[in-house]
Amino acid sequence: AQTVTQSQPEMSVQEAETVTLSCTYDTSENNYYLFWYKQPPSRQMILVIRQEAYKQQNATENRFSVNFQKAAKSFSLKISDSQLGDTAMYFCASTGANSKLTFGKGITLSVRP
Amino acid sequence: DTGVSQNPRHKITKRGQNVTFRCDPISEHNRLYWYRQTLGQGPEFLTYFQNEAQLEKSRLLSDRFSAERPKGSFSTLEIQRTEQGDSAMYLCASSSRTSGRLKGTQYFGPGTRLTVL
Repeated sequence: AQTVTQSQPEMSVQEAETVTLSCTYDTSENNYYLFWYKQPPSRQMILVIRQEAYKQQNATENRFSVNFQKAAKSFSLKISDSQLGDTAMYFCASTGANSKLTFGKGITLSVRP
Repeated sequence: DTGVSQNPRHKITKRGQNVTFRCDPISEHNRLYWYRQTLGQGPEFLTYFQNEAQLEKSRLLSDRFSAERPKGSFSTLEIQRTEQGDSAMYLCASSSRTSGRLKGTQYFGPGTRLTVL
């Protein structure tokens, strides 16, 4: 069974600053993927970034990057140069061989102007 | 590529009625998933299909719930004898096992919000 834990219910950041969202997970799978999804107030879930567990290199997508610590089972998301449009709920998720996603409870991020 | 679509976007029904939701995945995706999301929580897995075969069902999926994916294209999720506890957002996602760099990534539709009165 897989579990994903997001212990921070909400965070706030000033526009243009950097913020890090935390996530830990547990899995018995050897081959798995980790994701961060964003869900703005309109509720459509959007992929932010994806990490393959067998790759040591941290994934990056423009202003978004991860710090993947496999031994610690930690997968944090760093958002640089925060923008007002980054205001949303962010979910950390993992998937194993059976491909279904297991989500954390999410964190509400507010970007202040 | 028009993305994953879901219909209806909103459904209000009375307790005891049956409802059916539809999901149209991204056209080349062979895997389709259903999730349920309640307010302030992360989505929870319900079931998934590879082509037309339903390969896994969660224990959350009581016998009042049934899902189909005829011909491996669109999928329907039916809830019979709805209860107030069924009120939630029902999300559909699709993925491909062979889409290169983003293989296995699930793409979500906008969801169907169900309210049971």
